[in-house]
Amino acid sequence: EDQVTQSPEALRLQEGESSSLNCSYTVSGLRGLFWYRQDPGKGPEFLFTLYSAGEEKEKERLKATLTKKESFLHITAPKPEDSATYLCAVHVQGGSEKLVFGKGTKLTVNP
Amino acid sequence: NAGVTQTPKFQVLKTGQSMTLQCAQDMNHNSMYWYRQDPGMGLRLIYYSASEGTTDKGEVPNGYNVSRLNKREFSLRLESAAPSQTSVYFCASGQTYSNQPQHFGDGTRLSIL
Repeated sequence: EDQVTQSPEALRLQEGESSSLNCSYTVSGLRGLFWYRQDPGKGPEFLFTLYSAGEEKEKERLKATLTKKESFLHITAPKPEDSATYLCAVHVQGGSEKLVFGKGTKLTVNP
Repeated sequence: NAGVTQTPKFQVLKTGQSMTLQCAQDMNHNSMYWYRQDPGMGLRLIYYSASEGTTDKGEVPNGYNVSRLNKREFSLRLESAAPSQTSVYFCASGQTYSNQPQHFGDGTRLSIL
């Protein structure tokens, strides 16, 4: 069974305190891995797509990396506006267009 | 750009009532999806439509029906609402077989008493 596990469930940081969120996956074959940001009362907002091990993508204070078993979302010198829930999803090989989502990491950045 | 638009944003129903959640996208995507999001459960796929005229069950389809009205619109119907269907419902769209990300609406918050 395809599975996506995110850790930690919740993370509290002080402004400027860098850290990483983890997304580990067990799938039959990976077509792509997606990171989303979700603010309270809103739908998930797309951040990054990673397709193969070793790939990295950056956007402002966020950097996503991918290995054969997991992905990391590194947050450098976070600000309070980075507070959100971060979701990881995988697109599995096999012809289906479905995504498998993790349960998310709720990030709180205190000023 | 509107992207994916869902209506209504909030709804309260009584057990046994029926209702239809509406979703429309203006990104010319072929695929559309309905998810529910519950605390501690993450996003779970209810139904999806890979192209106009086709629909398929996802992980949690029981108690729901869908209609792909045209390329832009995909509706979700609860025929006889139950308290277990209290949730936040998200519609998404994407381009079939492209491996591009899905884009989400802002959800419908549904409470069933």
